[in-house]
Amino acid sequence: DVKVTQSSRYLVKRTGEKVFLECVQDMDHENMFWYRQDPGLGLRLIYFSYDVKMKEKGDIPEGYSVSREKKERFSLILESASTNQTSMYLCASSSGLYNSPLHFGNGTRLTVT
Amino acid sequence: AQSVSQHNHHVILSEAASLELGCNYSYGGTVNLFWYVQYPGQHLQLLLKYFSGDPLVKGIKGFEAEFIKSKFSFNLRKPSVQWSDTAEYFCAVNARNNQGGKLIFGQGTELSVKP
Repeated sequence: DVKVTQSSRYLVKRTGEKVFLECVQDMDHENMFWYRQDPGLGLRLIYFSYDVKMKEKGDIPEGYSVSREKKERFSLILESASTNQTSMYLCASSSGLYNSPLHFGNGTRLTVT
Repeated sequence: AQSVSQHNHHVILSEAASLELGCNYSYGGTVNLFWYVQYPGQHLQLLLKYFSGDPLVKGIKGFEAEFIKSKFSFNLRKPSVQWSDTAEYFCAVNARNNQGGKLIFGQGTELSVKP
């Protein structure tokens, strides 16, 4: 069974801090994704990557960056956290096939104070 | 740009009632369609998917969905809901030829089933 592991379940940070959210998958998937989930807005794509060192902006990339140095690991970086980045962050992975479903981690609930 | 719209924000049903959750998408090309479910405190799980062929697809736990191309719709149905179906449901779409397989999600529908 595919396992997508996010390093933290809950995180509290202060405004202006640099925040790293880590995600690891164990199925050798090519594609990895970062979404944020907010009530009434569903899931919105922040960034995704379809190969090591490759990254593509999603729908709401502002204020975020990503890093994919190894195939199994995809990091989301908040350069300077702001209160409007308080949210649930979901990592997902999928194989290289266009019709492959996404497998999600349990999420990281980030609170920025 | 692609978009997905789920019409119902919160649906409340009694056990044994029938369920239909609406989903419409906007995209001119060929798409793949998905329904995901998120049970309280759990991660998102795939409920069912449509790629091609029979427009009526069956998923886990008695759910099914029908793709109606002319209406750009992919509504989720279940004849008789159970209390354990209480969850949030998300419709999602990706373009058939998009690189990376990124999914665009709807806003979600929260389903509450009263025992």
